Amino acid sequence: DAGVIQSPRHEVTEMGQEVTLRCKPISGHNSLFWYRQTMMRGLELLIYFNNNVPIDDSGMPEDRFSAKMPNASFSTLKIQPSEPRDSAVYFCASSFTGGQSGPQHFGDGTRLSIL
Amino acid sequence: GENVEQHPSTLSVQEGDSAVIKCTYSDSASNYFPWYKQELGKRPQLIIDIRSNVGEKKDQRIAVTLNKTAKHFSLHITETQPEDSAVYFCAAAETSYDKVIFGPGTSLSVIP
Repeated sequence: DAGVIQSPRHEVTEMGQEVTLRCKPISGHNSLFWYRQTMMRGLELLIYFNNNVPIDDSGMPEDRFSAKMPNASFSTLKIQPSEPRDSAVYFCASSFTGGQSGPQHFGDGTRLSIL
Repeated sequence: GENVEQHPSTLSVQEGDSAVIKCTYSDSASNYFPWYKQELGKRPQLIIDIRSNVGEKKDQRIAVTLNKTAKHFSLHITETQPEDSAVYFCAAAETSYDKVIFGPGTSLSVIP
């Protein structure tokens, strides 16, 4: 089992640039979550998908953030344009939803630094 | 929506002692309560979880208790070891679609 795979692991870019974070969930999982973690705000849920459909995006901070899940094995989180306050660790997690809530498995995260 | 509070925010114990972390939640419809451990620079990892039809669950040195009436749940670590040092997050899941709300975390330090 390869686990949840995120890329890149680290990203450093200048403000104003577009940033794309990628996630491959565990095969067979049908729920996918994007989180942002900072010292100040802790672990925040940005958006989550169930069966590739966005269910709740109320945690997305601004219109500069967008997420897609074109198929069951791939999701992207895009920030355009990026700002220094977007600097954080972004985690993707996946789980299987089959009537009862199941454990989420996290990827190793993307450490994003916006200069 | 669900709100999860967690106490204490930091906890320091001597090796071999027990550690207890307490959480409260607001949504009485929540039925799934996982606990995650996050070591420095690593991803959160599930260490134990409990569902609302169970009052207590144990796994070696780790135990969780749940009081649905009072809407609180706790993590107990016995015989702590230095490798238990990490940030621990409690969480509560709403009843549909696996939306899990995390508490703010407890930084546990185990002193050798």
